[in-house]
Amino acid sequence: GAGVSQSPRYKVAKRGQDVALRCDPISGHVSLFWYQQALGQGPEFLTYFQNEAQLDKSGLPSDRFFAERPEGSVSTLKIQRTQQEDSAVYLCASKRSGDYNEQFFGPGTRLTVL
Amino acid sequence: AQKVTQAQTEISVVEKEDVTLDCVYETRDTTYYLFWYKQPPSGELVFLIRRNSFDEQNEISGRYSWNFQKSTSSFNFTITASQVVDSAVYFCALIPYNQGGKLIFGQGTELSVKP
Repeated sequence: GAGVSQSPRYKVAKRGQDVALRCDPISGHVSLFWYQQALGQGPEFLTYFQNEAQLDKSGLPSDRFFAERPEGSVSTLKIQRTQQEDSAVYLCASKRSGDYNEQFFGPGTRLTVL
Repeated sequence: AQKVTQAQTEISVVEKEDVTLDCVYETRDTTYYLFWYKQPPSGELVFLIRRNSFDEQNEISGRYSWNFQKSTSSFNFTITASQVVDSAVYFCALIPYNQGGKLIFGQGTELSVKP
């Protein structure tokens, strides 16, 4: 079956531009997570959804970041007024219900802010 | 505090050598889960294993084995007879209790297996 897909795979933005990153989870997966991975670092949690409800957004670094999952399937991570420090790989993961099930990751979107 | 530490940033071995990747975690929870993920150059994280805090049995899967020791808060990963295809970044991660399942990752160990 299809895995988690993300688009675009690569995004170059000029500082100050807004960007939108899309995640298509595995069909039927209730939970969806966003992580940010800086170069040479481990992924860091940003936010997570259970169906359409955003249950934890404690990892979002600033109010320029917000995420949505309006129909409980596809999710979009939006970054407004991008800054150079936003350059990273943004990973999306989905899983079945249950806190401890394994998460399945997409290939990520590499964002470069010039 | 919840934290995962992978002290080895990079390891380089020659094919067929055995290699152990270290992972030390911190948590005050009594219920938690530990994971290992592999990140090949393509970038997609691949799930390898999950272990709950109540099960300290070691696990073997082919050339891979895992040693979980609560007494030392460690969850080490050994690859026996390494192969070039094992070259990747390996991440150890923790899911704390009752936090929705978010993963707390270590910084990763980059393994390079040379022919």
